[in-house]
Amino acid sequence: QVQLQESGPGLVKASGTLSLTCGVSGGSINGYYWNWIRQPPGKGLEWIGYIYNSGITKYNPSLKSRVTISLDTSKKQFSLKLSSVTAADTAVYFCARGGIVVVTAIPPNFDIWGQGTMVAVSS
Amino acid sequence: DIQMTQSPSSLSASVGDRVTITCQASQDIGNFLNWYQQKPGKAPKLLIYDASDLEAGVPSRFSGSGSGTDFTFSISSLQPEDIATYYCQQYDNLPLTFGGGTKVEIK
Repeated sequence: QVQLQESGPGLVKASGTLSLTCGVSGGSINGYYWNWIRQPPGKGLEWIGYIYNSGITKYNPSLKSRVTISLDTSKKQFSLKLSSVTAADTAVYFCARGGIVVVTAIPPNFDIWGQGTMVAVSS
Repeated sequence: DIQMTQSPSSLSASVGDRVTITCQASQDIGNFLNWYQQKPGKAPKLLIYDASDLEAGVPSRFSGSGSGTDFTFSISSLQPEDIATYYCQQYDNLPLTFGGGTKVEIK
């Protein structure tokens, strides 16, 4: 079955860039939406954005100016970069599969999730 | 953005009780709504998609209903393993948005 695994530094300095990677195993990376979602400690879930088909991306407008999501199909992984981080970016970051690509370009659900990785922003 | 409002934010019920959570969208989203269960320290798990369809392998005590702006999630007979926070999520439009969550505890 498909499994996702996040990796990356657990501590990032304020004003720096947060970089995470999500490895996809047990299934194809083609034809699906690949998402990043975050959850600040004790709070709810926030969708960051997605990528599919070797480069088509959509981002949450609240983060759009600071976010880049990229896809490496040969390595079966996708990545998140979030620049100019502040304490407000401290959160558990999840990668998640968003279902099969459809004509509406909106992922129908998040059916497979990584375990999540905690990233703290230090001053 | 479409705002998703869940209520209550928390509830306490006894084993065997029926539990109901509501989710209201700030605009008509048809049936483009999902429900997730998140246990402490774990990733969310998809339970219900398209407002009322049960994800494969999910126990039948979980159910969802509604369309338009008002949705309901129910657990017909609460079990100890159902202790978790439940989230609704809309996919009618980007950005994808979640409700604030409902924490379910055992009385």
